[in-house]
Amino acid sequence: EVQLLESGGDLVQPGGSLRLSCVASGITFSSYAMSWVRQAPGKGLEWVSSISGSGSSTYYADSLQGRFTISRDNSKNTVNLQVNRLRAEDTAVYYCTKGGGGTRSYFDYWGQGTLVTVSS
Amino acid sequence: EIVLTQSPATLSLSPGERATLSCRAGQTVNIYLAWYQQRPGQAPRLLISDASNRATGIPARFSGSGSGTDFTLTISSLEPEDFAVYYCQQRYNWPLTFGPGTKVDIK
Repeated sequence: EVQLLESGGDLVQPGGSLRLSCVASGITFSSYAMSWVRQAPGKGLEWVSSISGSGSSTYYADSLQGRFTISRDNSKNTVNLQVNRLRAEDTAVYYCTKGGGGTRSYFDYWGQGTLVTVSS
Repeated sequence: EIVLTQSPATLSLSPGERATLSCRAGQTVNIYLAWYQQRPGQAPRLLISDASNRATGIPARFSGSGSGTDFTLTISSLEPEDFAVYYCQQRYNWPLTFGPGTKVDIK
């Protein structure tokens, strides 16, 4: 059974930073791209970032303006999202997702999400 | 960026009725379009990939069609658990984009 477990969400002040993590189980982790998708309260889904199975390729939504960094540790089945210079509009549930095949892929498994709240 | 437009925004139907949801892309995405279902308080779930392929464990009442810029998700006979929000998503090009969603609610 595929499981994705996120952690790291918190209440943070504007300008602050967080590191979100996701541990995967039930898959050959290094074989799959992983991505983060976020959802602001009451809003739709927004793709944030993807990383290839090897970790050699990364992709980001333009709206992030270089503030986020995705990484992975295949020895620990973990994908991380470092989020810096947080803004109120970054408030959202952040979902860790598994790619269905290839790096530019669909999201065939989702975690339950971790909530990031940016507020003073 | 490929913009996806979904219609209608809300679809009010009764259990047992047929639901037809539309997703239109601002430029061709070939067949590289997926559909997701999100129930309240839950993470989204992949229903359909590559326009018409049902994901593992998805009931046969869900079907997808289309190519190029126009796509349809059909639910042949609504079950109570199908009342939810549905999103389309393209993987044809970066950035990956989602449509704004269609809410299927109980009439």
